[in-house]
Formats: sequence, C-alpha cells, structure tokens
Amino acid sequence: AQKITQTQPGMFVQEKEAVTLDCTYDTSDPSYGLFWYKQPSSGEMIFLIYQGSYDQQNATEGRYSLNFQKARKSANLVISASQLGDSAMYFCAMREAHNNNDMRFGAGTRLTVKP
Amino acid sequence: KAGVTQTPRYLIKTRGQQVTLSCSPISGHRSVSWYQQTPGQGLQFLFEYFSETQRNKGNFPGRFSGRQFSNSRSEMNVSTLELGDSALYLCASSRTGEIANTEAFFGQGTRLTVV
Repeated sequence: AQKITQTQPGMFVQEKEAVTLDCTYDTSDPSYGLFWYKQPSSGEMIFLIYQGSYDQQNATEGRYSLNFQKARKSANLVISASQLGDSAMYFCAMREAHNNNDMRFGAGTRLTVKP
Repeated sequence: KAGVTQTPRYLIKTRGQQVTLSCSPISGHRSVSWYQQTPGQGLQFLFEYFSETQRNKGNFPGRFSGRQFSNSRSEMNVSTLELGDSALYLCASSRTGEIANTEAFFGQGTRLTVV
C-alpha cells in the first residue's frame, strides 16, 4: 500500500517566490518521523527538514519549513525565496517506529525555479 | 565532520557477474540502510544494519545481501547481476536505534550499470 503520496510530479516557481510541495502519508503508528530530501542531478540525497509525530510546532530550517497537519496526515514543504539552485527533485519520506525500520519515499516532485 | 561516503561512484558490470558496494557512515552513526533508486520503481528499501546485525530487509531477492562491520562500515553485494539491477544505490546512516526520530543522511550513491 502506498504510504507516501506526492501528487505533483513537477512544479515551477519564479525565482524569489515561495513554493509549497505537497505530501500526504498514511500510517496507524502513533510514533513516526517525516522527512524531506532534495536530490539534485548529481544524485546525492540532501536532508532538508524533519518533523516528529509528537512535535507540537512545525519544523523550520532556514528557508525550509514544514506545514504539518497531523489530523489531515499531510506534511507539506514550503520553500521561501526560491533560488535557482533549488531546482531539483524533492522527496517526502516517513519512518514508523513500530513497523519496519525502513524509510518509505514518495515518488518525488521535480521543482524548477525560473529566473 | 565527514559525510557518508560511498564507493565506487560509478560501476559497469556484465550480466551474471557480482558486485560489492561500500558505504562508510558518518562517524558515530551505527545504523546503515541501503536503497535502490530506479526511474520506474523510485526509491526502494533494501536492508538496514545496526551494530553489525541486519534489523530489517526489504522485498528483494536473495541475490542482494549485505553486512556491517564493527566500525559500522557496510557493504552490499549483488550476485548474478541482471540488467534490471541497473540503478543508483544509496546508503544512509543514522545515529542510533530510535529510527522514527532520527534523521538519515545519505551518501552520493553508486550508479551501477549492468550490460
């Protein structure tokens, strides 16, 4: 069963504008972690931001913030002030504490920042 | 602080051969996970090692195996290579055992091409 859903295969954003990448997840485990990674064309997966299921506040890391809506099971990534270097694939992922320890990934969203 | 190191970066093998990929995690990290990334299947979990023990395994045939050494370095082996094994193989390291609450940091990957 698909546990992580990213419904936007591709997104475009104008440089310096903000963009939201959608992610919904499915789990019955009360303890889980949600992650966003950036994958440029070089292939490396770059960790961006983490949100724990028990965290009360939305996670923020520099220009990245995670809009965590637990009841809706969504964990959208917001990138503020987009830069050309933000163009890449973005993956949402989840780890569940009491099920398998593997990290499940969504299909990804390809973000293109236009000058 | 050094990141996750994967060697080699690129590899070309012939069908039927075997291959060994190496991953050195971040110093102090004891958990190493392996993932296969292909255009068709996306990112799929292979297995995870913690303190030299395989804790979890994904849905891959027995041709895929791995191990972890006492210094936390990990290797994965693929025997009797098939064309469909061509992929980017990513290794991720995590600090400790509370998986859901621990970020995973990835290496640059090994791009395997089977001809």
